[in-house]
Amino acid sequence: DVKVTQSSRYLVKRTGEKVFLECVQDMDHENMFWYRQDPGLGLRLIYFSYDVKMKEKGDIPEGYSVSREKKERFSLILESASTNQTSMYLCASRAPRGPYEQYFGPGTRLTVT
Amino acid sequence: QQQVKQSPQSLIVQKGGISIINCAYENTAFDYFPWYQQFPGKGPALLIAIRPDVSEKKEGRFTISFNKSAKQFSLHIMDSQPGDSATYFCAASIGRAGGTSYGKLTFGQGTILTVHP
Repeated sequence: DVKVTQSSRYLVKRTGEKVFLECVQDMDHENMFWYRQDPGLGLRLIYFSYDVKMKEKGDIPEGYSVSREKKERFSLILESASTNQTSMYLCASRAPRGPYEQYFGPGTRLTVT
Repeated sequence: QQQVKQSPQSLIVQKGGISIINCAYENTAFDYFPWYQQFPGKGPALLIAIRPDVSEKKEGRFTISFNKSAKQFSLHIMDSQPGDSATYFCAASIGRAGGTSYGKLTFGQGTILTVHP
C-alpha cells in the first residue's frame, strides 16, 4: 500500500527560526512535491523534485528551500520563519510515467508566532 | 496567476441530492484533469480523473463532465451522502509522456461540501 509520511502533524515555531519539514515515501517514486494549503487559495506548489538532488521552483518558492539527498526523502526548509508562513504543508509523490496520480501525506500544520 | 478557477467555495446539499462543483482553466496545454477529495486531518486523495479526449467519465456516483471548447469541467456527485462531506479540489496538469512538466498539478481553490442527513 502506498504511503507518504510527514515528520510532524503539528508544529509551532517562533519568527526567525529555521524550520525543517520532512517527507518520506515508500513507493520508489522519482517525483516529489511540496504544497502549502490555505483556505480559499487551494494547494499551491512551493517546490518539486524530479530526482535525487534535482529540484525546481514551483509557483511560490520565496522564503523556502528544499533538499533531496535520498530518493525517498524530500525536505522543505524555511530559512527564517515568518508569520505569513503559517499554513498547512502537504507533501506528495508520483511515479514519473503511467498514472499521474499524486499521493499525499497527511500534512503538517505549521504555526509561526 | 490562478490558472484553475473553482466554484462554489462552499456547498450544502441534502442527503440524496446532487452536488455540482465547477472548474474553469486557462492553459490549453493541460491534458489531465483530476479531482481530489480531502477529509479533515487527511491529505487529498485522487477521486476521479479525465483526459480531454472524452466528454464524460463516470465512476459509481461520481461523474466528471468535460467541455473542451469552453475550457470547463465539473464534478457531479449523485445521491450525495453525509460521508461525502469533504473538501474537493479540481486540478489540471500537463501529463504528456516525455514532457518536462513532471506531472505538476495546478489546483483550484477548493470546495467545502457538506451533506446534511
